[in-house]
Amino acid sequence: DVKVTQSSRYLVKRTGEKVFLECVQDMDHENMFWYRQDPGLGLRLIYFSYDVKMKEKGDIPEGYSVSREKKERFSLILESASTNQTSMYLCASSLYRSGAREQYFGPGTRLTVT
Amino acid sequence: AQSVTQLGSHVSVSEGALVLLRCNYSSSVPPYLFWYVQYPNQGLQLLLKYTSAATLVKGINGFEAEFKKSETSFHLTKPSAHMSDAAEYFCAVTISSNTGKLIFGQGTTLQVKP
Repeated sequence: DVKVTQSSRYLVKRTGEKVFLECVQDMDHENMFWYRQDPGLGLRLIYFSYDVKMKEKGDIPEGYSVSREKKERFSLILESASTNQTSMYLCASSLYRSGAREQYFGPGTRLTVT
Repeated sequence: AQSVTQLGSHVSVSEGALVLLRCNYSSSVPPYLFWYVQYPNQGLQLLLKYTSAATLVKGINGFEAEFKKSETSFHLTKPSAHMSDAAEYFCAVTISSNTGKLIFGQGTTLQVKP
């Protein structure tokens, strides 16, 4: 089974702090994704990566950056956390060459910025 | 561009009743379609996927969905609801040339009453 793990389930940070969210997948997937999930808004794509050191902006990249130095790890960075970044963050991965391209999700990190 | 609309942000059924969650998509090319389920404080889990092999797709936990091209729909059904089906359900669409990105609907929360 594919396993996607995220470094924290719950995180509380202060405004202005630099925040790192880590995601690791164990199935050699090429694609990795970061989403945020807010009530009534569904999942919104922040960034995705289709290869090591490659990244592309999603729909809401402002205030975020990412890093992918190894194939299995994809990090989301909040350079200066703000209260409007309080949300559930979900990481996912998928096979690049799979026609169906289903994504496999981690358990999520619920981030609160105070 | 692809898009997904889930009709009804909340659906309530009695235990044992039919579950019907509606999803309509927009895509100019043949799509791949997915249904995911999210239990409280967890990540998303794949229920089923449509990849053009068969229009009626069976998934886990007794769910199934039918692809209707003429109606651009991919509604999710289950003949008899269980209390354990209470969760949030997401429909998603992608196309083969989309580098693996999924477009998600806004989600439907299913409540099951005893």
